[in-house]
Amino acid sequence: KAGVTQTPRYLIKTRGQQVTLSCSPISGHRSVSWYQQTPGQGLQFLFEYFSETQRNKGNFPGRFSGRQFSNSRSEMNVSTLELGDSALYLCASSLEAGTGNTIYFGEGSWLTVV
Amino acid sequence: AQTVTQSQPEMSVQEAETVTLSCTYDTSENNYYLFWYKQPPSRQMILVIRQEAYKQQNATENRFSVNFQKAAKSFSLKISDSQLGDTAMYFCAFMKHVNSGGSNYKLTFGKGTLLTVNP
Repeated sequence: KAGVTQTPRYLIKTRGQQVTLSCSPISGHRSVSWYQQTPGQGLQFLFEYFSETQRNKGNFPGRFSGRQFSNSRSEMNVSTLELGDSALYLCASSLEAGTGNTIYFGEGSWLTVV
Repeated sequence: AQTVTQSQPEMSVQEAETVTLSCTYDTSENNYYLFWYKQPPSRQMILVIRQEAYKQQNATENRFSVNFQKAAKSFSLKISDSQLGDTAMYFCAFMKHVNSGGSNYKLTFGKGTLLTVNP
């Protein structure tokens, strides 16, 4: 069974540009969540999607957005990039909320903003 | 809001020895889950072990076991017979129970403990 797949793995963008990251969850998983990992702030929750609906959003500015498609694949978008957006962006999937279903992570997308 | 604290930024252990990583958390919830994730240099987050708060018995997975003290809000990870492949960043994480279809389904992480296993 394939794991959580994230693309691209590495990318470099310029300040002011926008970026889209993609995530394919484990087959059968309908909940997809995104986390940002930086040396200073650690791992922070961005948002969670289930059945194409955003159910929860972390404390990030509106420049960070996402969506989920009918096949559960998800994308996140960051507009007007800032240097501080440089981070590892981790996508995670699980069956769904309830009973503490295990959340599985992808290998992440490394974003560098210059 | 929940918080997770890992007080040991770095630890080291000799191969084959035992090491314990500390984690404390703060919550007003009664029903929740606790996890230890491992992040090796590849940066893939790998689940090591999980604990349901309503279970008194400590979880065990091969060489990994936890000491869950609900009243003290403590959740430490013990690694026995440490191996070189255990070298990684270890994150303690909290998740409140969310009913099926509910929102607020997320992990709250500690800052991590970098564990180095020396040969």
